[in-house]
Amino acid sequence: SQKIEQNSEALNIQEGKTATLTCNYTNYSPAYLQWYRQDPGRGPVFLLLIRENEKEKRKERLKVTFDTTLKQSLFHITASQPADSATYLCALPTGSSNTGKLIFGQGTTLQVKP
Amino acid sequence: NAGVMQNPRHLVRRRGQEARLRCSPMKGHSHVYWYRQLPEEGLKFMVYLQKENIIDESGMPKERFSAEFPKEGPSILRIQQVVRGDSAAYFCASSPPSGNTDTQYFGPGTRLTVL
Repeated sequence: SQKIEQNSEALNIQEGKTATLTCNYTNYSPAYLQWYRQDPGRGPVFLLLIRENEKEKRKERLKVTFDTTLKQSLFHITASQPADSATYLCALPTGSSNTGKLIFGQGTTLQVKP
Repeated sequence: NAGVMQNPRHLVRRRGQEARLRCSPMKGHSHVYWYRQLPEEGLKFMVYLQKENIIDESGMPKERFSAEFPKEGPSILRIQQVVRGDSAAYFCASSPPSGNTDTQYFGPGTRLTVL
């Protein structure tokens, strides 16, 4: 069955460093992949979408890569700040095409220390 | 432009009661999705609706759960005869009309507690 895996262990880094989060998937060939941010007690917030024909996408301090051969996406936050501390979720579309149904990974919690 | 609205934000019910969760999508959005997040678990898809139509309900439990998105008014997720295992955060998301359903915008969620 389709499966998404994110590192369940929290990632602790120092302010100013680059945070790298990993999303791996199996039994699946998604047309695109998304990353969301979720703060405690709040709903997920969309960050970036990368399509299967794109290798890399950037938005301000964020960078996402998508390797369809490895079935992996990497999410980077450069020059990290304490305000970047949150849980980051990887999501993939599933079901029939364009239904919008998403499956989410468990999320990786990032803690940026000042 | 107001975001996705959900109410109530917190709902407490006793076992056997009914829970009604409401979701108003973003202005101009005609697609609504409901997800459930159990404690210490990830978001799980429940149902996808368009106005007056259920498109995909593959994630909905077979019994006690129902959803609707009427022509007028908010989308409703209804849970009948709640049990303790229904305690979770329920999130609604919306997306624009067909052709751009890739990005979903989430509401703040309703936290249901069943006593």
